[in-house]
Amino acid sequence: SQKIEQNSEALNIQEGKTATLTCNYTNYSPAYLQWYRQDPGRGPVFLLLIRENEKEKRKERLKVTFDTTLKQSLFHITASQPADSATYLCAPGGPGFQKLVFGTGTRLLVSP
Amino acid sequence: DARVTQTPRHKVTEMGQEVTMRCQPILGHNTVFWYRQTMMQGLELLAYFRNRAPLDDSGMPKDRFSAEMPDATLATLKIQPSEPRDSAVYFCASGLRAGGVTGELFFGEGSRLTVL
Repeated sequence: SQKIEQNSEALNIQEGKTATLTCNYTNYSPAYLQWYRQDPGRGPVFLLLIRENEKEKRKERLKVTFDTTLKQSLFHITASQPADSATYLCAPGGPGFQKLVFGTGTRLLVSP
Repeated sequence: DARVTQTPRHKVTEMGQEVTMRCQPILGHNTVFWYRQTMMQGLELLAYFRNRAPLDDSGMPKDRFSAEMPDATLATLKIQPSEPRDSAVYFCASGLRAGGVTGELFFGEGSRLTVL
């Protein structure tokens, strides 16, 4: 069955460091992958979409990679700040499967 | 500022009661999703509509849950009868699907349901 895996344990890092979050998927062949941020008590907010032919995408301090051979996407936040503390969710998608299913998310804690 | 609106924000009810949650998607969006979120299960997809037609509700317990889109401005999720295990935050999200890509989803603030 299709599976999306994100680290269930919280990632604790110090302010200024680079945070790297992982999204692995099995039994999927997504054409693109989305990343969202969710703060406590709020709905998820879209951050980035990366397509299978893009390999890497950047937006300000965010960088996402997409490796279809490894079936993995990495999400990086450089120069992290306490305000980056949140849960980050990935969701693979593609023409073969219209619904957007999310991973369980990884909680990021950035300490000053 | 376009946003997805969900009502109610909070609902406390007793087991066996009917619960209806409503969602107003962003005007012009052709896809609507209902998700349920709990600490244990994360964000689970319940139902998915495109152009108001239900395309997938395989994540939904069919005997008690139903989802509809009576018009383009309203999506509903109904639970009848409700059970304590239905306690969760229910999110509605809307987006545009074109060219085989479901673009950015806009989520509502969620409806927090507590069934006693």
